[in-house]
Amino acid sequence: EAQVTQNPRYLITVTGKKLTVTCSQNMNHEYMSWYRQDPGLGLRQIYYSMNVEVTDKGDVPEGYKVSRKEKRNFPLILESPSPNQTSLYFCASSPGHSSYNSPLHFGNGTRLTVT
Amino acid sequence: TQLLEQSPQFLSIQEGENLTVYCNSSSVFSSLQWYRQEPGEGPVLLVTVVTGGEVKKLKRLTFQFGDARKDSSLHITAAQPGDTGLYLCAGVGGYQKVTFGTGTKLQVIP
Repeated sequence: EAQVTQNPRYLITVTGKKLTVTCSQNMNHEYMSWYRQDPGLGLRQIYYSMNVEVTDKGDVPEGYKVSRKEKRNFPLILESPSPNQTSLYFCASSPGHSSYNSPLHFGNGTRLTVT
Repeated sequence: TQLLEQSPQFLSIQEGENLTVYCNSSSVFSSLQWYRQEPGEGPVLLVTVVTGGEVKKLKRLTFQFGDARKDSSLHITAAQPGDTGLYLCAGVGGYQKVTFGTGTKLQVIP
């Protein structure tokens, strides 16, 4: 089954403790992206990757890191989490550079709480 | 940063009623996508509109892209409880940059 898999689904951690949220897709998609979703703010892009070893900042990159060593994986790293990073996070992928008919395929989300 | 404002933010209606959700921006987009998100899941694409003035129908849902490609609307006819969810518009710009709207939470009461 074609899917984007995020882990974990739920995570509670403390301020400053490094964490990684994994994302993997099995559709051979070139494009991958991370979003955070907060009430009243919609989905905001954190980082995106057009292909292996190519990553770029989105609208809210501060406090986050990503890597794209393999096509299928795009982990999100919080080196020193803070309470304002408490949010619902989504990983998404799409086929390629042409955006017109390239839907984003989303994972089921990771709910992160930083105390 | 391109911004997309959706209205209304919340909508609670009775089964069988019609409704329209609006998505507005001051920016021009190459195309516009509409997604629906249900609790505990990621958004799922409903439709993509590409041409200014384009109208697409998906059963009881009608999507329209504004002539200037800055705004869009979603009209639902005879809403059903299964239509309940969060509706998100998303403008697609250069380099596959996708900007999401603020969302409209729809509740259809049986």
